Amino acid sequence: DTGVSQDPRHKITKRGQNVTFRCDPISEHNRLYWYRQTLGQGPEFLTYFQNEAQLEKSRLLSDRFSAERPKGSFSTLEIQRTEQGDSAMYLCASRQGGNEQFFGPGTRLTVL
Amino acid sequence: KQEVTQIPAALSVPEGENLVLNCSFTDSAIYNLQWFRQDPGKGLTSLLLIQSSQREQTSGRLNASLDKSSGRSTLYIAASQPGDSATYLCAAVEGSARQLTFGSGTQLTVLP
Repeated sequence: DTGVSQDPRHKITKRGQNVTFRCDPISEHNRLYWYRQTLGQGPEFLTYFQNEAQLEKSRLLSDRFSAERPKGSFSTLEIQRTEQGDSAMYLCASRQGGNEQFFGPGTRLTVL
Repeated sequence: KQEVTQIPAALSVPEGENLVLNCSFTDSAIYNLQWFRQDPGKGLTSLLLIQSSQREQTSGRLNASLDKSSGRSTLYIAASQPGDSATYLCAAVEGSARQLTFGSGTQLTVLP
């Protein structure tokens, strides 16, 4: 069990550029979540996958954000036309049948 | 809309002290409550998950309680150590996706 991994760990980009993050969940976990955390706040839910199906999306997930999980394994989160307000830690979590979610180390995005 | 509040926002104690962190939530229709630890710039480490049918859960020096009817949970840390210094987050597990709704956390500093 290697845990949830995320890549890259840090990303610095200029406003208006597109960025893509990757999450690899724990291998047997079929449920995957994305959260966003800004400084001094708790994480906020963005979206949820069960296998390859995206079943829930928060209203925080604007149309500049898109998430995929093409084969029910790893997932990607893309942000198009980044804005300074997108600067945050993007966290991925996975779980199997129980309710306990396990988090990755996060990707810290800085938009200049 | 669920709101999760954690009090205090920050706490500083001398090593060896027992302490209690508080978490309250507005909607008692939750599945479970999960406590996490977050070190600066890192992802979240799951500490304890309390099922809605349980009243408490223990792991080592940690004990978490849940009172759904009053919308409260507490995390008790016995014999605190400097290595316990971190931000502690509670999260309500809710919704069809079993997504987490987080509080803003309590930043704990244990002084040697």
